[in-house]
Amino acid sequence: GAGVSQSPSNKVTEKGKDVELRCDPISGHTALYWYRQSLGQGLEFLIYFQGNSAPDKSGLPSDRFSAERTGGSVSTLTIQRTQQEDSAVYLCASSSPGVWDPSEQYFGPGTRLTVT
Amino acid sequence: AQSVTQLDSQVPVFEEAPVELRCNYSSSVSVYLFWYVQYPNQGLQLLLKYLSGSTLVKGINGFEAEFNKSQTSFHLRKPSVHISDTAEYFCAVSRTNAGNNRKLIWGLGTSLAVNP
Repeated sequence: GAGVSQSPSNKVTEKGKDVELRCDPISGHTALYWYRQSLGQGLEFLIYFQGNSAPDKSGLPSDRFSAERTGGSVSTLTIQRTQQEDSAVYLCASSSPGVWDPSEQYFGPGTRLTVT
Repeated sequence: AQSVTQLDSQVPVFEEAPVELRCNYSSSVSVYLFWYVQYPNQGLQLLLKYLSGSTLVKGINGFEAEFNKSQTSFHLRKPSVHISDTAEYFCAVSRTNAGNNRKLIWGLGTSLAVNP
């Protein structure tokens, strides 16, 4: 079946503009994660959604970052008033967690964001 | 809080030689451990994971890793590497007591370069 898809694959934006990044998880996967991969910082957790539960937003770096997940499927990560330090690859992952087995997270190809 | 240290940022090795990529972690709670691989221009893929039980775990492509609780290590090994193993390797942990939230805490990665 189809894997995790993300769009756009590349995004170049001017400093101060807002951007929206989209993630389509694997069908049936109830858990969805956003991570950021940047030079020098490595991979960082941003936010976690699980079904209808309140999301874990503990990794969002500032209040310019927000995310939502509609209908338990598609997720959108929004960055307002982008800054150059927001330049990174934004990765989405989904999984179907069980009680005892932290199931594998399946990663999308990422969105490369460049803020000029 | 958890942290992951990958002791080598770059590891050059000749084809058919053995390789060990080192990973140490720090955590006040028990964790699950993972190794992910990112091939050039591809997404992250799970290599192997330690959940419980036998401390030696085997993964895809001939890789294995050994969990050492006393040394808080989870080193990745392969007895004979191929050119195709050239990639970025990431060690990661997630808490065992966080319900379904399996957010990953990552090391900075080790770049494995296999030379002919």
